[in-house]
Amino acid sequence: SQQGEEDPQALSIQEGENATMNCSYKTSINNLQWYRQNSGRGLVHLILIRSNEREKHSGRLRVTLDTSKKSSSLLITASRAADTASYFCATGGGAQKLVFGQGTRLTINP
Amino acid sequence: SAVISQKPSRDICQRGTSLTIQCQVDSQVTMMFWYRQQPGQSLTLIATANQGSEATYESGFVIDKFPISRPNLTFSTLTVSNMSPEDSSIYLCSVDYREWAETQYFGPGTRLLVL
Repeated sequence: SQQGEEDPQALSIQEGENATMNCSYKTSINNLQWYRQNSGRGLVHLILIRSNEREKHSGRLRVTLDTSKKSSSLLITASRAADTASYFCATGGGAQKLVFGQGTRLTINP
Repeated sequence: SAVISQKPSRDICQRGTSLTIQCQVDSQVTMMFWYRQQPGQSLTLIATANQGSEATYESGFVIDKFPISRPNLTFSTLTVSNMSPEDSSIYLCSVDYREWAETQYFGPGTRLLVL
């Protein structure tokens, strides 16, 4: 069964706007990761945030984690057409299997 | 970062046949993983393949349907046996470069359509 639930399922914005995607999970975690998938291809790892971290940045990406609410968000600032992809959160990894959320399909309109 | 290749990149197969998907990694890794992504869905782990031991299958997946080989530390194959249209999916392999590493690196996927 899927650990994470993501919303929205689909998001369409104009180039230059910010995109926010949310992920909720059910059990306690050691970390949460975000991956990107372009057009049904392989996944690319974006960022990992540990359970003792509240916020993490990588370039135009900002990830927050609220363990009390069992939720995380991924913010992409100043979006570009190349950001069009599906974004998945995932929990686990290491000794635990990686469990993915349902994903958000992001479309950036020129 | 990892260089992971998969063959074939896509295929169209007839029901009842089998397809073997190859995954090649550019360096030695302990653990390799196989995932299925059904149309419009998320990824589901099929099995974990360690070199020198039997693959470990997740609930709902069985060796007779998805036999896996792991002959060395850089290569693995997944066979989808006796295919039906419900097997139409993207199949992805992934690796972690350090044992028990949290982050996995994915191959480009194999897009399978079963008629």
